[in-house]
Amino acid sequence: QSALTQPASVSGSPGQSITISCTGTSSDIGSYNFVSWYQQHPGKAPKLMIYEVSNRPSGVPDRFSGSKSANTASLTISGLQTEDEADYYCSSYGSSSTGVFGGGTKVTVL
Amino acid sequence: EVQLVESGGGLVKPGGSLRLSCAASGLAFSHAWMSWVRQAPGRGLEWVGRSRGGGGTTDYAAPVKGRFTISRDDSRNTVYLQMNSLEAEDAAVYYCVWMNTVTSYGSWGQGTLVTVSS
Repeated sequence: QSALTQPASVSGSPGQSITISCTGTSSDIGSYNFVSWYQQHPGKAPKLMIYEVSNRPSGVPDRFSGSKSANTASLTISGLQTEDEADYYCSSYGSSSTGVFGGGTKVTVL
Repeated sequence: EVQLVESGGGLVKPGGSLRLSCAASGLAFSHAWMSWVRQAPGRGLEWVGRSRGGGGTTDYAAPVKGRFTISRDDSRNTVYLQMNSLEAEDAAVYYCVWMNTVTSYGSWGQGTLVTVSS
């Protein structure tokens, strides 16, 4: 199962909305609603932000939202805040049933 | 609250072995799916393998299959990662992860650093 494709970087100003894409194939994102997203600040462990495409765990702000269309999933951060500056990774279940992550996207708050 | 504490990382020579441990609390461990995910310095996340709850069936990523073994002791709420024939490419921070669903990684430990060097 190949790694999922994410843009290397995305930036935005405070208060703006940004969207991070995660492109897979018909064998993973395109076939299953099992996409999840993780936030990682420097030197820290990742944190689950979205699971099963659009579900937020308890405690995650509702300005984080997820969606999917065909083989591409997206994470949108609305009302961008300085503390949102971090690396973000997507993950998807696939037909091989092994785990796979995207390459990661660095979000910069201008 | 789920808490995961890894231990066992360190410096090992190429070809050597190391066993990582992860002590879990705050969850019904015997039914929990547990994964190991690693991150090489400056790189992204890489799934290593998992132990399924309720029996411990394991799955592995291709780069580690045949060299790494995941086991668990449900009586101690602990999952292990035995790493043999270590290569330079295995150097990374290794995270123990509780899977809140069978496809998502709900809680992460603080990570333990494995360095492979002669």
